[in-house]
Amino acid sequence: AQSVTQLDSQVPVFEEAPVELRCNYSSSVSVYLFWYVQYPNQGLQLLLKYLSGSTLVKGINGFEAEFNKSQTSIHLRKPSVHISDTAEYFCAVTAHGSGNTGKLIFGQGTTLQVKP
Amino acid sequence: GAVVSQHPSRVICKSGTSVKIECRSLDFQATTMFWYRQFPKQSLMLMATSNEGSKATYEQGVEKDKFLINHASLTLSTLTVTSAHPEDSSFYICSALLGAGANVLTFGAGSRLTVL
Repeated sequence: AQSVTQLDSQVPVFEEAPVELRCNYSSSVSVYLFWYVQYPNQGLQLLLKYLSGSTLVKGINGFEAEFNKSQTSIHLRKPSVHISDTAEYFCAVTAHGSGNTGKLIFGQGTTLQVKP
Repeated sequence: GAVVSQHPSRVICKSGTSVKIECRSLDFQATTMFWYRQFPKQSLMLMATSNEGSKATYEQGVEKDKFLINHASLTLSTLTVTSAHPEDSSFYICSALLGAGANVLTFGAGSRLTVL
């Protein structure tokens, strides 16, 4: 089984400052990792995904993440945030295997609050 | 890009009634769709996997007689909450894989159910 822990429930940050949202996972098998963003009363939008290969993953809206296998982490970063980045961010994991891909295990979510 | 549409986006019903939520893949065929549930300020929990032309696969703890899922075509899955009670009030989100071998989910915008 897999599990995901997002280490911060809320992250307040000032506009144009850098931000890091932390995510650790556990799994006994190889996994795919994802970061999603959710704006109020909306569905989820994929920010980025790590499937294999380079540990530095570029996403949309200026976000990127660094996969660290030894620390079982994939922290999300953005060098300069905007007010519009205020949202809920979810880290998710799924085990490799054709029958598992849609079965995402989500972290508890991190609320990013960007202040002017 | 691929779009998953949910309808209705919001629904209010009386206790004891049934509510149907539709999930459509607008520009692709989805043999498999997934239904998630999200409580306020919480993460998403997978409820069931909806398979076109066959019975849905429910996650442990999810009442299949309570949450009826039908996937009658390659572009439509429906979730019916039967005999709804206030504790069924939640945000329901569907998602789909873009195709066989795909490894990223596309999410609908969600449906907020309020049971009075």
